[in-house]
Amino acid sequence: AQRVTQPEKLLSVFKGAPVELKCNYSYSGSPELFWYVQYSRQRLQLLLRHISRESIKGFTADLNKGETSFHLKKPFAQEEDSAMYYCALRTSGTYKYIFGTGTRLKVLA
Amino acid sequence: EAGVTQSPTHLIKTRGQQATLRCSPISGHTSVYWYQQALGLGLQFLLWYDEGEERNRGNFPPRFSGRQFPNYSSELNVNALELEDSALYLCASSGSVGAIGNTIYFGEGSWLTVV
Repeated sequence: AQRVTQPEKLLSVFKGAPVELKCNYSYSGSPELFWYVQYSRQRLQLLLRHISRESIKGFTADLNKGETSFHLKKPFAQEEDSAMYYCALRTSGTYKYIFGTGTRLKVLA
Repeated sequence: EAGVTQSPTHLIKTRGQQATLRCSPISGHTSVYWYQQALGLGLQFLLWYDEGEERNRGNFPPRFSGRQFPNYSSELNVNALELEDSALYLCASSGSVGAIGNTIYFGEGSWLTVV
């Protein structure tokens, strides 16, 4: 079954602390993975995607096919990072986007 | 450039009624996705339309249906509304689905409340 799991519903960290939002997926094909973010009162928007291997707003994510994970990391959290984060998988062929249940990140001052 | 637009923003319906939600994709996008975001359940995939055809649907009953028009806009219809249909309905659009790195862009959603 195709599935995206985000085990933490809420993650609270202090400003300046490292952040890691976990994402595991279940998919037998070749996955494309994404992280989407929803700031307060804003629409869901793309943060980054694994094929770009980019760092956006200090966040990075590496696809680990052996562990079927795509964890989102940032070395020093900022208060403006507080938001809801969703991990998503796009299946090949059927091009379906499957989202995890999301993790709310709270960065405390 | 205008993003994905959805209407109405809020809709209140009575159980048993029908609801129609509308979505206009980003100009040039041919694919439209519909998701249901119920409290605590994340985004549940509903439907995907591309080039006017339904390409995929999620695990929802047939009373959830929709269509895509020649201008690529789309509507989602929910018949025989039930209380548990109350949720935020998100529409997203994308360009050519076969392209590596294709991503979807979301609208702000339509809140449906069933009373």
